[in-house]
Amino acid sequence: LAKTTQPISMDSYEGQEVNITCSHNNIATNDYITWYQQFPSQGPRFIIQGYKTKVTNEVASLFIPADRKSSTLSLPRVSLSDTAVYYCLVGSGDKIIFGKGTRLHILP
Amino acid sequence: DARVTQTPRHKVTEMGQEVTMRCQPILGHNTVFWYRQTMMQGLELLAYFRNRAPLDDSGMPKDRFSAEMPDATLATLKIQPSEPRDSAVYFCASGQSLASSYGYTFGSGTRLTVV
Repeated sequence: LAKTTQPISMDSYEGQEVNITCSHNNIATNDYITWYQQFPSQGPRFIIQGYKTKVTNEVASLFIPADRKSSTLSLPRVSLSDTAVYYCLVGSGDKIIFGKGTRLHILP
Repeated sequence: DARVTQTPRHKVTEMGQEVTMRCQPILGHNTVFWYRQTMMQGLELLAYFRNRAPLDDSGMPKDRFSAEMPDATLATLKIQPSEPRDSAVYFCASGQSLASSYGYTFGSGTRLTVV
């Protein structure tokens, strides 16, 4: 399983676009990149998954450069309710291992 | 929305007692995970099953923890005997496969306190 590195914490303001970058230099050919969100006292929630280029859904966008050694989760126009821990995961099998994640704090 | 149901939501028990946590995965999901979360260690994978067969339980303390899937609608995690260091939130998750666009769905967790 590829090791991932992401910032421990980030602060932003309501209405801003937030980009969280994850490094995964040892990503394998078959690996997908998946992001989860976890609110306090809740289980993690799947946000988005991608393999290459760009993926967008109603919640976020995921940008993956051609070398796939990093990825960026983009949250458009955040609100206070986006305060959570965001996890970047890389793998190709069933097994998913969570790192420490990025604690995102949205300020008014 | 389909949900992963975990019971109980909270459990306080005395050291040495047996604890059983239950999980009802989403119907049709063939992969089930058990995770433990603490402030110090974060989310740790304890065990997971595919089509009810245990695939990996290397994250689980073997001497006191056991995980089973008696049928496709029930997964259990048992601790016997429990110790204060087992205090944590235990999450169950289910899904089809990593390559699925929908990822895995987590339950709300069981908060275990061992005193």
